[in-house]
Amino acid sequence: SQKIEQNSEALNIQEGKTATLTCNYTNYSPAYLQWYRQDPGRGPVFLLLIRENEKEKRKERLKVTFDTTLKQSLFHITASQPADSATYLCALINNAGNMLTFGGGTRLMVKP
Amino acid sequence: NAGVTQTPKFRVLKTGQSMTLLCAQDMNHEYMYWYRQDPGMGLRLIHYSVGEGTTAKGEVPDGYNVSRLKKQNFLLGLESAAPSQTSVYFCASRPRLAGGYNEQFFGPGTRLTVL
Repeated sequence: SQKIEQNSEALNIQEGKTATLTCNYTNYSPAYLQWYRQDPGRGPVFLLLIRENEKEKRKERLKVTFDTTLKQSLFHITASQPADSATYLCALINNAGNMLTFGGGTRLMVKP
Repeated sequence: NAGVTQTPKFRVLKTGQSMTLLCAQDMNHEYMYWYRQDPGMGLRLIHYSVGEGTTAKGEVPDGYNVSRLKKQNFLLGLESAAPSQTSVYFCASRPRLAGGYNEQFFGPGTRLTVL
C-alpha cells in the first residue's frame, strides 16, 4: 500500500540554524509534491510545490528537494526563527491530480 | 474574501446522534474536500467533489455522507455518530486550473467529540 512517512518526533533547533525535514514515500509514483505548514488549532497553509522534473525549488528562506530515485523530499528552512515553529506536512498528488495524500507531519521547534 | 469557512467550530455528540458539518468557500473553486485529522496520522481524505452535484469517496469514507448542491457549499454528514469519529475535520478547496496540481486552501477546522 502507499505510504508517506515523516519523522514523528519533534525537531528542536536553535534560532539561526537550518532546519531540515524529511518526507519519504513508498509504493507511489507522484508527479508532484507539496509542503504545508500547520499551526496549532488551524488549518494547513500551502508553502511550496515541486514537480518530479524539478530537483530543487526555493522560496525566500525555504528550499525543497525532490529525489524520485530515493523517493524522498527534503524541506529546508535556513536562518530559522522562533516564528517558524509549527508542524510541516508533505503531501503527494495522485496521477489524476484530484487527490492529495498527506504524511503525518513533523513538528519543528525553533528556540531563541 | 472570507476564504474557506466551517460551521460549527466545536461540537459534542452522543453516540448514535447525527449532525451535518458545513463548509463554504467564496473563491469560486470547483474542487472541495473533507479531511479528518487524528493525532500522529496526518490528514486523511473522507470525500471530495470536483464540481456542483458530484461527489467521490476518499480514503476513509465509511460512516460519512456528503452533498454538493451549490458550488460554494460542501456538506459532511454523520448519520449515526460513533466514538471513532472523534476527530478534527478540515474542509479544503482549490480551483480547476491547467495541470490540476495547485494548492488547496483549508478552513479552520471543526473539533468533534463523540461520547
